[in-house]
Amino acid sequence: NAGVTQTPKFQVLKTGQSMTLQCAQDMNHNSMYWYRQDPGMGLRLIYYSASEGTTDKGEVPNGYNVSRLNKREFSLRLESAAPSQTSVYFCASSDPTLPGGRLNEQFFGPGTRLTVL
Amino acid sequence: DAKTTQPNSMESNEEEPVHLPCNHSTISGTDYIHWYRQLPSQGPEYVIHGLTSNVNNRMASLAIAEDRKSSTLILHRATLRDAAVYYCILRRGIQGAQKLVFGQGTRLTINP
Repeated sequence: NAGVTQTPKFQVLKTGQSMTLQCAQDMNHNSMYWYRQDPGMGLRLIYYSASEGTTDKGEVPNGYNVSRLNKREFSLRLESAAPSQTSVYFCASSDPTLPGGRLNEQFFGPGTRLTVL
Repeated sequence: DAKTTQPNSMESNEEEPVHLPCNHSTISGTDYIHWYRQLPSQGPEYVIHGLTSNVNNRMASLAIAEDRKSSTLILHRATLRDAAVYYCILRRGIQGAQKLVFGQGTRLTINP
């Protein structure tokens, strides 16, 4: 199992450009999440999808849109990138139906480092 | 949402135990205490969680105060690989999507 994969690993954009960050998980998890992490800070939740077909705003949703394409894939779109969106973006997944203690685990991808000039 | 307070940084020596404290004085009865850690240049990884009783797993132990207003993550024998930022997070209930709120965490340095 690859777990949670994210593409691309690095990206540089100019202000006003758009792009989509891709995330996929092969663990058959119901819930998926997008976080951002600014330098020296903890992660902040942007959007999440509790199950296929649903999406909800997190703590910092402004400037972003998401699509839960299917159970495996959850994408994050920046329509008009701004320098304030320079950050490392992490995708994660979890599933409350997992057996034993694993129902409380959230599994994270390796991150996408985005710079907006 | 109830908040957690952790020291910004801690330092320990290899092969010694490490006790990472977390204060959560406004915790509610349905809040679970979760610990995650983030190794350099990686995404966070789950360490352990608990509600009221102390918990042990292969990675660490979690000691929860009787009044639940504080907890301590215990690494029994630190290795260099344990150098990371450790996050103490409260999560209300265990059902449904996990909307985790990460603070700044404790940066743990391990000396060889």
